[in-house]
Amino acid sequence: AAGVIQSPRHLIKEKRETATLKCYPIPRHDTVYWYQQGPGQDPQFLISFYEKMQSDKGSIPDRFSAQQFSDYHSELNMSSLELGDSALYFCASSSGRGYTFGSGTRLTVV
Amino acid sequence: AQSVTQLGSHVSVSEGALVLLRCNYSSSVPPYLFWYVQYPNQGLQLLLKYTTGATLVKGINGFEAEFKKSETSFHLTKPSAHMSDAAEYFCAVSDPRGGFKTIFGAGTRLFVKA
Repeated sequence: AAGVIQSPRHLIKEKRETATLKCYPIPRHDTVYWYQQGPGQDPQFLISFYEKMQSDKGSIPDRFSAQQFSDYHSELNMSSLELGDSALYFCASSSGRGYTFGSGTRLTVV
Repeated sequence: AQSVTQLGSHVSVSEGALVLLRCNYSSSVPPYLFWYVQYPNQGLQLLLKYTTGATLVKGINGFEAEFKKSETSFHLTKPSAHMSDAAEYFCAVSDPRGGFKTIFGAGTRLFVKA
């Protein structure tokens, strides 16, 4: 069965650079969620989209933005990267009940 | 507001022993409840979920959880632990009315001894 695809799997960036993470949901899933999991921390909700509109917003920094496109894939754009942004970024998709998570993008800021 | 409390950040069991991971929640409305597992260097994987109906929910890999409204609990159990069960487990709650934003517990790391 198709899963949630995230790219890239790993990303290394320098401070103050920008990064774009991509998430491709399961077909016919209309909702996408982004989570950030820092080292040794539980996942923190960042932002979600339903039918290409932002549906909920969590602890997403102003330096980050995201959108969902017409094909339902979503991109998380991160600017002015800081060392503290190093984390695993999960995307999840849903059709309404529960989630399917992607395997995450591990971002390392050096 | 919703919250989730997982009792015990680390649980250690012997192979073949009962696994019990505790989760208590608070919610002002009937919640949806979930257990996720995270294996090393992997993303979160859904183990099981409770939405409505039968309070005993069976999931993958032999895990099950029982929704007890009177105790506001959703403990995860498995009769016999296997070495491959060693992982981090997250209990989560969501409000069906609230866009399905999920509140995660802090996680419980399960160790399985040979």
